[in-house]
Amino acid sequence: EAGVAQSPRYKIIEKRQSVAFWCNPISGHATLYWYQQILGQGPKLLIQFQNNGVVDDSQLPKDRFSAERLKGVDSTLKIQPAKLEDSAVYLCASSPGLVITATNTGELFFGEGSRLTVL
Amino acid sequence: GNSVTQMEGPVTLSEEAFLTINCTYTATGYPSLFWYVQYPGEGLQLLLKATKADDKGSNKGFEATYRKETTSFHLEKGSVQVSDSAVYFCALKGYSTLTFGKGTMLLVSP
Repeated sequence: EAGVAQSPRYKIIEKRQSVAFWCNPISGHATLYWYQQILGQGPKLLIQFQNNGVVDDSQLPKDRFSAERLKGVDSTLKIQPAKLEDSAVYLCASSPGLVITATNTGELFFGEGSRLTVL
Repeated sequence: GNSVTQMEGPVTLSEEAFLTINCTYTATGYPSLFWYVQYPGEGLQLLLKATKADDKGSNKGFEATYRKETTSFHLEKGSVQVSDSAVYFCALKGYSTLTFGKGTMLLVSP
């Protein structure tokens, strides 16, 4: 079974430029997450999709970050314009469970991440 | 809100030493608890979990017991190997997703 695929693995940009990250979850997984992991910190949830709908985007800085999952499969996270403090690893994860069902085990399957450096 | 506190690293051990990584949490209700591991150059992966008080999760020689009275979920292993060198994250499941601790780096030398 193929894992969660992310690209690019590394990206270096200057502040005020834009960047986009792509994620393809495990086939059949209904729920997709984007996390931001700043060096020395744990992953922080940015946005969560169930199929192609947004479940939680309360911690997404909407003035510069956007994300979509149009067909309920792969997803794109965009940052425009980037700031120095956006330097981080952006992790995509997927889960087979639906958000509100009791059978959601909470087990997330993570990709290798996309490392962003903003200069 | 939910939060997870882990001991700061790095934790440096010799091979075959005993490992403890402390984790405490704050949450409403009784969340499920997890340990994730991130090996160098790889994504996070689930190591073990416990869904209710007094449950013990175990995998690959690692264990952790869900202690409601102390709101803790400490990770232990009796004899670490060089291949256990990684970053370990404690996490709890709220209503719909996971809240992670900051992670603890473990370095095991031969």
